[in-house]
Amino acid sequence: AQSVTQLDSHVSVSEGTPVLLRCNYSSSYSPSLFWYVQHPNKGLQLLLKYTSAATLVKGINGFEAEFKKSETSFHLTKPSAHMSDAAEYFCVVSANAGKSTFGDGTTLTVKP
Amino acid sequence: EAGVAQSPRYKIIEKRQSVAFWCNPISGHATLYWYQQILGQGPKLLIQFQNNGVVDDSQLPKDRFSAERLKGVDSTLKIQPAKLEDSAVYLCASSHGQALTEQYFGPGTRLTVT
Repeated sequence: AQSVTQLDSHVSVSEGTPVLLRCNYSSSYSPSLFWYVQHPNKGLQLLLKYTSAATLVKGINGFEAEFKKSETSFHLTKPSAHMSDAAEYFCVVSANAGKSTFGDGTTLTVKP
Repeated sequence: EAGVAQSPRYKIIEKRQSVAFWCNPISGHATLYWYQQILGQGPKLLIQFQNNGVVDDSQLPKDRFSAERLKGVDSTLKIQPAKLEDSAVYLCASSHGQALTEQYFGPGTRLTVT
């Protein structure tokens, strides 16, 4: 069995300040972990993925995430938020034969 | 390369009616997924195909939902009869393989059941 918990349903930051979106996972297998972004009226797009290589993963648009097995976490960060980062973010775990389980999402609001 | 195509983009039907959605994955992608995304929730996997075989349909309500992927390319998802709680966005995605690979998502079909 596998599951994902996104700890915050909404996060609001000011432009230029750091972003932290939290994700905890549970998996009976060694998981792959992903972060996807969904802008309004657009399809889901991959930000980054962890597949058992380096624990610190860099993605597009300045985002990165760190896999911490001891804490079963895969938090998404960005040093400085931009207005264009406002979107819905989904943490995803994939382990058992490629079945993917999505979290319920975190809505990121960026204030000017 | 062309992305994942879905049609229609929007559909409004009355409960107990039937509806079908179509998906054309990225060329060469062996794996195709259908997800249901209810407002305020993350996408939930309904069915996963590897070529034209079903890998996982454990969360597909088989009494009313059906899906097929003939010839291992295009896929259709059907609901018959629809219920109010089927109102959601239906997402199609494709990938090269199964585990560890990025999924490419289509724009989705927004279904409203009245």
